[in-house]
Amino acid sequence: NAGVTQTPKFRILKIGQSMTLQCAQDMNHNYMYWYRQDPGMGLKLIYYSVGAGITDKGEVPNGYNVSRSTTEDFPLRLELAAPSQTSVYFCASSEGQGGNQPQHFGDGTRLSIL
Amino acid sequence: GDSVTQMEGPVTLSEEAFLTINCTYTATGYPSLFWYVQYPGEGLQLLLKATKADDKGSNKGFEATYRKETTSFHLEKGSVQVSDSAVYFCALSGDSSASKIIFGSGTRLSIRP
Repeated sequence: NAGVTQTPKFRILKIGQSMTLQCAQDMNHNYMYWYRQDPGMGLKLIYYSVGAGITDKGEVPNGYNVSRSTTEDFPLRLELAAPSQTSVYFCASSEGQGGNQPQHFGDGTRLSIL
Repeated sequence: GDSVTQMEGPVTLSEEAFLTINCTYTATGYPSLFWYVQYPGEGLQLLLKATKADDKGSNKGFEATYRKETTSFHLEKGSVQVSDSAVYFCALSGDSSASKIIFGSGTRLSIRP
């Protein structure tokens, strides 16, 4: 079972470069999320989506953009990479939102901005 | 707003020791409570959950009981193994259909052989 797949696993960017972090899920979940995890910290929600064509900001959306053209895919884009965006990024999905719906996570993308 | 506070780490124990990781929460209504585990180099995995007061979630020898009177959901295991070394996150989700999961800051657990 693939679950939630993130690519790439590692990436080093120069300041000002752009890139897209890919996320795909094969569980037909409507809800998808992007988090960042800074060293020794918990997870902060960047963006989320409740279904194809619908996205909304989370706690820390500045410097990021997302799109959701299909149920399966939820890419995260960094337009002008900054050192403050060095982090581990996790994509997650869930069948529903709220109540007792757990989230399923990918293995993460470790991103360094130099 | 809703929040989760968990025991700061790192926690280091010897194999077969008893484990407790404290977690308390602040929320309106009747949230669902979760423990997630993150092994090195991996994403978070759901370990256990409880959806109402006095429920006990359990999995892989870990247990946690939803205590509404003390707003707590402490994680326990009677005899830890080296393979339990990981970061553990307490989390809650409100009872509204619009609620998102709120995570604690995580507790790193290391088990010595």
